[in-house]
Amino acid sequence: GENVEQHPSTLSVQEGDSAVIKCTYSDSASNYFPWYKQELGKGPQLIIDIRSNVGEKKDQRIAVTLNKTAKHFSLHITETQPEDSAVYFCAATRGNRDDKIIFGKGTRLHILP
Amino acid sequence: ETGVTQTPRHLVMGMTNKKSLKCEQHLGHNAMYWYKQSAKKPLELMFVYSLEERVENNSVPSRFSPECPNSSHLFLHLHTLQPEDSALYLCASSRDRVTDTEAFFGQGTRLTVV
Repeated sequence: GENVEQHPSTLSVQEGDSAVIKCTYSDSASNYFPWYKQELGKGPQLIIDIRSNVGEKKDQRIAVTLNKTAKHFSLHITETQPEDSAVYFCAATRGNRDDKIIFGKGTRLHILP
Repeated sequence: ETGVTQTPRHLVMGMTNKKSLKCEQHLGHNAMYWYKQSAKKPLELMFVYSLEERVENNSVPSRFSPECPNSSHLFLHLHTLQPEDSALYLCASSRDRVTDTEAFFGQGTRLTVV
């Protein structure tokens, strides 16, 4: 089955700097890779996703890159702001009805003033 | 707000108690899920319901019993829990059961078993 590894588990960056979170997956048939953000006291919320037919996707300050050959994908947050402080989860799935979505363990991002 | 509401937000129960967690969505979604979130572990999928039918049970102990009376409501009935069951229990819904669509999560119920 699919296995998703996420690094680092904790990340502190100065406000205004960039943050990068990396994930690797094991199932070469996985083709959908979402990223969820979980703020304190809330449930996870989808912030960006990428499908295997695309190498990069951007949405304002966040971007995700996918390297299918190496089976890894990354979340990039530029010009970080205090409201970016949260736990971020990557996930991978084949996207079928009977498939499972497998989450990484999460990265706690701290934005330092 | 994601459109998925969970109650209660916090619950403390003894190991001999029986309690229920409730989840409600009015997004018109056909699939609903229960997840367990423990510290430093990935989200663990517990149960999946599609059109009110349970389609997945990931080897969850029988002390957890789900119920889906209609497509908008999902319950998790708890009885004779163990301290290691203390965790954040998250409900989620999605348009349908295919996994490459966005899942909308509730805020969770923080469960403490004493």
